[in-house]
Amino acid sequence: NAGVTQTPKFRVLKTGQSMTLLCAQDMNHEYMYWYRQDPGMGLRLIHYSVGEGTTAKGEVPDGYNVSRLKKQNFLLGLESAAPSQTSVYFCASSNPEGAARETQYFGPGTRLLVL
Amino acid sequence: RKEVEQDPGPFNVPEGATVAFNCTYSNSASQSFFWYRQDCRKEPKLLMSVYSSGNEDGRFTAQLNRASQYISLLIRDSKLSDSATYLCVVNPPDKLIFGTGTRLQVFP
Repeated sequence: NAGVTQTPKFRVLKTGQSMTLLCAQDMNHEYMYWYRQDPGMGLRLIHYSVGEGTTAKGEVPDGYNVSRLKKQNFLLGLESAAPSQTSVYFCASSNPEGAARETQYFGPGTRLLVL
Repeated sequence: RKEVEQDPGPFNVPEGATVAFNCTYSNSASQSFFWYRQDCRKEPKLLMSVYSSGNEDGRFTAQLNRASQYISLLIRDSKLSDSATYLCVVNPPDKLIFGTGTRLQVFP
């Protein structure tokens, strides 16, 4: 049981390049989330999904797009990377049943540097 | 005002010490409360939930004061392995709000 995995672990991009971050979970969780973590800012929600085929905006969605074509995968896309998107990106998942919904399981993170 | 506020620390304490962290939140409609632990360059992991009556898990005690809108975490008999950043997490309806974390460094 791998839990939540993220690909890649580290990436360097030039301004204007695009990339996709992949998140996969094998816990059969309905809910999935993408966060970014910056020094002094805490974790901020970018987008989330409450089920296959559904997505919604979080606190800081601008410059990102997401897709949830399969229940176990949640993709985060950067169409035109900017230096302000340099951050550590965490994916998380949770089960929607009762209190379990509020316990989020995180992936190991993707460190992104945009030059 | 930030929705969740924590003292960033660092708290530098010797092994065996007792240390307490506080966290305040602004949304009175918040329903659930948690402490997560995050090791350096790692992902956050749930440490414990915080219940209205207070709860204890080994050396860790969490308390909630709804009237004053603050949450606390007490660590007794600190171990070197407790060195980490502790994130206060609050659940207003339909989302989780993470504090920026309090860093704890336990030294021999």
